[in-house]
Amino acid sequence: EAGVTQSPTHLIKTRGQQATLRCSPISGHTSVYWYQQALGLGLQFLLWYDEGEERNRGNFPPRFSGRQFPNYSSELNVNALELEDSALYLCASRKAGVRATGELFFGEGSRLTVL
Amino acid sequence: AQSVAQPEDQVNVAEGNPLTVKCTYSVSGNPYLFWYVQYPNRGLQFLLKYITGDNLVKGSYGFEAEFNKSQTSFHLKKPSALVSDSALYFCAVRDIGNNRLAFGKGNQVVVIP
Repeated sequence: EAGVTQSPTHLIKTRGQQATLRCSPISGHTSVYWYQQALGLGLQFLLWYDEGEERNRGNFPPRFSGRQFPNYSSELNVNALELEDSALYLCASRKAGVRATGELFFGEGSRLTVL
Repeated sequence: AQSVAQPEDQVNVAEGNPLTVKCTYSVSGNPYLFWYVQYPNRGLQFLLKYITGDNLVKGSYGFEAEFNKSQTSFHLKKPSALVSDSALYFCAVRDIGNNRLAFGKGNQVVVIP
């Protein structure tokens, strides 16, 4: 069974540009989560999608947005990039439903560098 | 809101010695607790979880964790550390209201040969 896949692995952008990161969840998982891991700041929750809808978002400005497609894959968009957006962006998926016990399965991450 | 605290930034242990990584939690209601490990430039790997039942939970790679309700702790343990256990370890709690995991800041574990 394939795990969570993310692309690109690395992305270099300049200030003011836009970045798009992509995630494919584990087959059968309908929930997708995005986390930001910036140096020294731990994992910060960004967004949660389930069944194509945004269910919750963390304390990030509106220039962080995303969507979930009918096949449950997801993309994260970051507009007007700032230097402090440089981080590892982690996508995770979770099996939804009554028997789901809540653990998330993570991808390898997309390293975004803003110059 | 649910939260976890990992009080130590780094844990140093000699190879073969017992390893303990500390975590305390704050929740309203029953806690769902998790441990993850992250190797350099990699994603997070699930180690183990506590949902209900026995207070001692066994997980991957010889790790176990002890749930202590009175002390609101969920410490990760390994009887004999390996150099390959050197990594960043995260404790997490499920935030039922928001249906997401809230992570601690992480502990760097360094196993010295």
